[in-house]
Amino acid sequence: EVQLLESGGGLVQPGGSLRLSCAASGFTFSSYAMSWVRQAPGKGLEWVTSISGNAGSTYYADFVKGRFTISRDNSKNTLYLQMNSLRAEDTAVFYCAKDRYRTVSPGGWFDPWGQGTLVTVSS
Amino acid sequence: DIQMTQSPSSLSASVGDRVTITCRASQSISSSLNWYQHKPGKAPKLLIYAASTLQGGVPSRFSGSESGTDFSLTISSLQPEDFATYYCQQSYSTPWTFGQGTKVEIK
Repeated sequence: EVQLLESGGGLVQPGGSLRLSCAASGFTFSSYAMSWVRQAPGKGLEWVTSISGNAGSTYYADFVKGRFTISRDNSKNTLYLQMNSLRAEDTAVFYCAKDRYRTVSPGGWFDPWGQGTLVTVSS
Repeated sequence: DIQMTQSPSSLSASVGDRVTITCRASQSISSSLNWYQHKPGKAPKLLIYAASTLQGGVPSRFSGSESGTDFSLTISSLQPEDFATYYCQQSYSTPWTFGQGTKVEIK
């Protein structure tokens, strides 16, 4: 069974940093691109970033460029999201999700998703 | 960026009702459109991919269709477990974008 388990969320002050992790199991991790999607309180789903299976390509939403970094350790079957210069508007549940393809390609989809980890940015 | 306009934002329906949610893309996205179901505190769940292909294990009362840049998700007979928020998502070009969501509530 494919499983994704996020961790690392918590309370952080504005301007602070946090690193999220997503432990994957049940599939050949390096064969699939992975993504982070977030949901702010009372809001909808919002794509944040994606990374190819070999970590050779990364893609970011404009609102996180230069602040967030996606990475992966295929030897540990783990996806990461390093978040710096956090803002109050980054407060959200962050989900990791498995992509359909090895590369970040048109025509794909997110399946499955993890349960999410809550990030709260507040002083 | 491709904008996805989803409607309605919410609806009230009864068990057994036929429900249709629509999503309009701001430009052509071919059939690169996915639908997800999301319940509070749970992981979002893929229902339909490529506009009309049912994900394995998803009940056949769910269906998807497309007409140009308009896409629809239909639940033929609403069941108690279907009360949730539904999102469309385009996977034609990055940044991948979602519709605003449709909350399906019990009437």
